[in-house]
Amino acid sequence: KNQVEQSPQSLIILEGKNCTLQCNYTVSPFSNLRWYKQDTGRGPVSLTIMTFSENTKSNGRYTATLDADTKQSSLHITASQLSDSASYICVVSANTGGFKTIFGAGTRLFVKA
Amino acid sequence: DADVTQTPRNRITKTGKRIMLECSQTKGHDRMYWYRQDPGLGLRLIYYSFDVKDINKGEISDGYSVSRQAQAKFSLSLESAIPNQTALYFCATRGDYNSPLHFGNGTRLTVT
Repeated sequence: KNQVEQSPQSLIILEGKNCTLQCNYTVSPFSNLRWYKQDTGRGPVSLTIMTFSENTKSNGRYTATLDADTKQSSLHITASQLSDSASYICVVSANTGGFKTIFGAGTRLFVKA
Repeated sequence: DADVTQTPRNRITKTGKRIMLECSQTKGHDRMYWYRQDPGLGLRLIYYSFDVKDINKGEISDGYSVSRQAQAKFSLSLESAIPNQTALYFCATRGDYNSPLHFGNGTRLTVT
């Protein structure tokens, strides 16, 4: 069964600290993995995309990693800011003849001053 | 102006009522989607459309219907709303399979 599991469910950190969010998936055949940021009251917005051959990609203070062998990804946030408070959703796409997109439940991040 | 606009933003309705959620986009994308978001769950696909004449069921289409009135407009209907359809509904567009989904800001629907 195609699944995407994220951990932790929620996380509280102090402003300026770093954090790492985890995503494990069982989606097959793997096509790509995206991390989305969802602010409260808004729709998700794409942060990064990773394909099978990529193992690190950065977008400003966000760095995503992918280990296709263990089917794990992480999103590392450096020097957190109050505006990083949001849900972060891992989304994995499979190319099954039709294209299937599976969403994780998200990690809710709270950055406190 | 937002690229993907959903109306209304919030709606409270009673069990058994018919309700329509609307979505319009200015991105020029052919692919449009309706998702449902519930606490603790990932977004789940209700319906999707690859052009005006193409409508496909997603994983949770029961109790819902859609209409693709034009390339830019894709509406979701609940023919007879029930309380377990209380959720946050998102419309999204996509240019191609490898492009990101572009979401609207959602419609919060409450069925009492």
